[in-house]
Amino acid sequence: GNSVTQMEGPVTLSEEAFLTINCTYTATGYPSLFWYVQYPGEGLQLLLKATKADDKGSNKGFEATYRKETTSFHLEKGSVQVSDSAVYFCALGGEYSSASKIIFGSGTRLSIRP
Amino acid sequence: DSGVTQTPKHLITATGQRVTLRCSPRSGDLSVYWYQQSLDQGLQFLIQYYNGEERAKGNILERFSAQQFPDLHSELNLSSLELGDSALYFCASSARAGRTDTQYFGPGTRLTVL
Repeated sequence: GNSVTQMEGPVTLSEEAFLTINCTYTATGYPSLFWYVQYPGEGLQLLLKATKADDKGSNKGFEATYRKETTSFHLEKGSVQVSDSAVYFCALGGEYSSASKIIFGSGTRLSIRP
Repeated sequence: DSGVTQTPKHLITATGQRVTLRCSPRSGDLSVYWYQQSLDQGLQFLIQYYNGEERAKGNILERFSAQQFPDLHSELNLSSLELGDSALYFCASSARAGRTDTQYFGPGTRLTVL
C-alpha cells in the first residue's frame, strides 16, 4: 500500500543553520505530496505542496521538490529561525481524482536553538 | 486561522460512554475529512464525506461513525469508548475531492477517556 517515510526526530539546530528533513514515499499512480507543520498546541497547517513530478513547492523560505525518480520530497530551508520550531509532517494524497485522503508520515520534531 | 472550526476543544469522558465531535468546514468547501492523531498510531485518516455522501473510508473502527449534514457541517460519533480512543481528532475540509485540492485543518478536539 501507499506509505510515507520521513526522518526520525527530534532534530535540533542552531538559528540560521541549514535544514533538511528527508521524506520518501511509496505509491501507485500519481499522488500529490505535501508538507504540513504543527506548531505547539495547534492544528496542522499546510506548508507547501507539489502535485506532479519536478514541481517545486515553496513557502516561508521552505522548499521541496517532487522527485519521481527517487520517490522523494525532502524539505529544505536555508536559514532556520527559532519560530520554525514545530513538528513537520510529510504527506501523500490525492492519488485518485475521486478520493483524496492524506497519508501522513510519522512527523519530525524540529527544535531551533537561539 | 484555517476557517475550519471544531467543537468542543477538549472532552473528558469515561470508558463505555459515547461522544459527538462537531466540525464546520470552511465556507464553500464541500469535502470534510476526519483524522485521528495518537502517540502510538500517528496521524491516521478515518473517513471523508463529500457533499453529504461518504466518499472514502480509512482506519475507522465500527464503534465510530460520521455524517455530513445538508449545511455541510459534520459530526463524528464515538461510542463504547475505550482508553485507547484517547487522541486528538482533527477535521479538515477542501473545496472538492480532487487530487490536487488542499485540505485545511481545524484546531482539533482533544478526547481523554478515563
